[in-house]
Amino acid sequence: DAGVIQSPRHEVTEMGQEVTLRCKPISGHDYLFWYRQTMMRGLELLIYFNNNVPIDDSGMPEDRFSAKMPNASFSTLKIQPSEPRDSAVYFCASTRDTFYNEQFFGPGTRLTVL
Amino acid sequence: EDKVVQSPLSLVVHEGDTVTLNCSYEVTNFRSLLWYKQEKKAPTFLFMLTSSGIEKKSGRLSSILDKKELFSILNITATQTGDSAIYLCAVQFRGSTLGRLYFGRGTQLTVWP
Repeated sequence: DAGVIQSPRHEVTEMGQEVTLRCKPISGHDYLFWYRQTMMRGLELLIYFNNNVPIDDSGMPEDRFSAKMPNASFSTLKIQPSEPRDSAVYFCASTRDTFYNEQFFGPGTRLTVL
Repeated sequence: EDKVVQSPLSLVVHEGDTVTLNCSYEVTNFRSLLWYKQEKKAPTFLFMLTSSGIEKKSGRLSSILDKKELFSILNITATQTGDSAIYLCAVQFRGSTLGRLYFGRGTQLTVWP
């Protein structure tokens, strides 16, 4: 298996622009997680899905952030409009079920908002 | 308030030293505790612990959970420069947010040759 795939790997954009991050989970994994990692706050959960349905979005910072999972093999995290404080590494992770809960992380997208 | 607290935040040792990393958590329907290693990229899974007092071991790394005192330790013996990384502790709780992991801030370990 190719593992969790994320794109792009790096994104540099200007304040106010829309940013879309993409994730393909491992085939057969029913749970998908979006995390943000910064030096100040560490690894934070933004939202997670089970069978394509959002379960907990309490970590989404504000309305500028939105996430979708239209099918079992694809998810997006969108920031509109982006701000410099959104600069971080965004990880997507997936797991088969909560009993095992060994989440497999993608390589991350390093976002820089100027 | 952080549900999972790791200490120390950073640690610098020399090759061959033994290190102990700590992770404590608050009690709220605990289910499992996981350790991850993060080098320059994504976190990779090390151990999952659910039962108190049972040591998990993989090579020079070992971990144990104390559910009574609400903490876990990760030991690394005979450290090598390749052990330099951030070590993350995460806890899963039972309940409505089953599936969610709460991560600590991590311990940055640096091993000098």
